[in-house]
Amino acid sequence: DVKVTQSSRYLVKRTGEKVFLECVQDMDHENMFWYRQDPGLGLRLIYFSYDVKMKEKGDIPEGYSVSREKKERFSLILESASTNQTSMYLCASTPPAGTWRGDEQFFGPGTRLTVL
Amino acid sequence: AQTVTQSQPEMSVQEAETVTLSCTYDTSENNYYLFWYKQPPSRQMILVIRQEAYKQQNATENRFSVNFQKAAKSFSLKISDSQLGDTAMYFCAYYQGSGNTGKLIFGQGTTLQVKP
Repeated sequence: DVKVTQSSRYLVKRTGEKVFLECVQDMDHENMFWYRQDPGLGLRLIYFSYDVKMKEKGDIPEGYSVSREKKERFSLILESASTNQTSMYLCASTPPAGTWRGDEQFFGPGTRLTVL
Repeated sequence: AQTVTQSQPEMSVQEAETVTLSCTYDTSENNYYLFWYKQPPSRQMILVIRQEAYKQQNATENRFSVNFQKAAKSFSLKISDSQLGDTAMYFCAYYQGSGNTGKLIFGQGTTLQVKP
């Protein structure tokens, strides 16, 4: 079975802290994504990566960075956490576009981050 | 830019009845994919059903079916014989592949409560 895991289900941090959210997939997928989910706004794409060491900005990259040193791991970094980054963060992965089910995204369980 | 709109923030249905969730989208493209994802309370997001825009036939997966109206840019989800396990947030999503990767654009979500 496809498996995407995230390092924490719940996380509480203080304003100004550097925060790392980790995502690991075991499906040898090329593409990985980070979203944030907020009530009434749905899921919004922060960053994505289609290969190791490659990254692309999504719709709301401000205040975030990412790292993909290994194919299976995609990290989201909040350089200096702020209260408006309190949200649910979802990671997803997918095979390359054009492959069988290359359009289906497989999601992790999410990390609910609270910034005080 | 493509957009996806779900105009029903919350819905409820009695167990065993039928419910329809609405979704509209905006695109100038001719080839794309549409999805409905389900996010049960405190559980991972999973794919419910997918529709390829070039196929006229509406997709069906057991009790779940779609009404895809390409000209109207409408993509509704019908759940027949609703079950308590269908209680979840449902997201409509638009996908278009580009180069090595594609991105999903999500609607705001509809919270569905199935009542016993």
